[in-house]
Amino acid sequence: QVQLQESGPGLVKPSQTLSLTCSVSGGSISSGGYYWSWIRQHPGKGLEWIGYIYYSGSTYYNPSLNSRATISRDTSTNQFSLQLSSVTAADTAMYYCARKQTNYCSGGSCSYFDFWGQGTLVTVSS
Amino acid sequence: SSQLTQDPALSVALGQTVRITCRGDSLRSYYASWYQQKPGQAPVLVIYGKNNRPSGIPDRFSVSSSGNTASLTITGAQAEDEADYYCNSRDSSGDHHYVFGTGTKVTVL
Repeated sequence: QVQLQESGPGLVKPSQTLSLTCSVSGGSISSGGYYWSWIRQHPGKGLEWIGYIYYSGSTYYNPSLNSRATISRDTSTNQFSLQLSSVTAADTAMYYCARKQTNYCSGGSCSYFDFWGQGTLVTVSS
Repeated sequence: SSQLTQDPALSVALGQTVRITCRGDSLRSYYASWYQQKPGQAPVLVIYGKNNRPSGIPDRFSVSSSGNTASLTITGAQAEDEADYYCNSRDSSGDHHYVFGTGTKVTVL
């Protein structure tokens, strides 16, 4: 059973960089076919996909973040990370890491986030 | 980028059936996946593709789709099904981007 656990500061000052790490156990982030993802949820709001890093190292980001997000990985520790620069109060949210995979389903491919971390709340405030 | 629109809230009597819809252009090309989120908890995958359920998800959850609309149906809703439900699919731009629906709060009466 794959398990993910987020860690990082719960409080970040405006204009600084938010940095979070997701520790993965029960599976390798280098294993083929998986996308290691970050998703956030503003207080009382819906889910927002931030981006992911593929097992090969390729990265993809939500364009609405205006290139402020960077996802990286450390295969030696089986962790991947999120950095979000120039944060404002609008970046206050619960941040989740998750594993996405894409498989063949009847009639085409289907993608889904099958394992999630418990989430970590990040508040942006001076 | 794409948007996925859901009804904000639905209610269902215990043991009855509720259908949660998700509308968006990307659903014409890509399957949706569906997530259940209870207060204070992380989302949980309940179903994806054509009725593929992870281990432990009861078969009262099913999906269907037509055109730009995907639907999650709970047949015989139980008290523990009261939660927020979100759909998700790949963005229709095809640039490996993903989008979540606006979410539906399901209340079991």
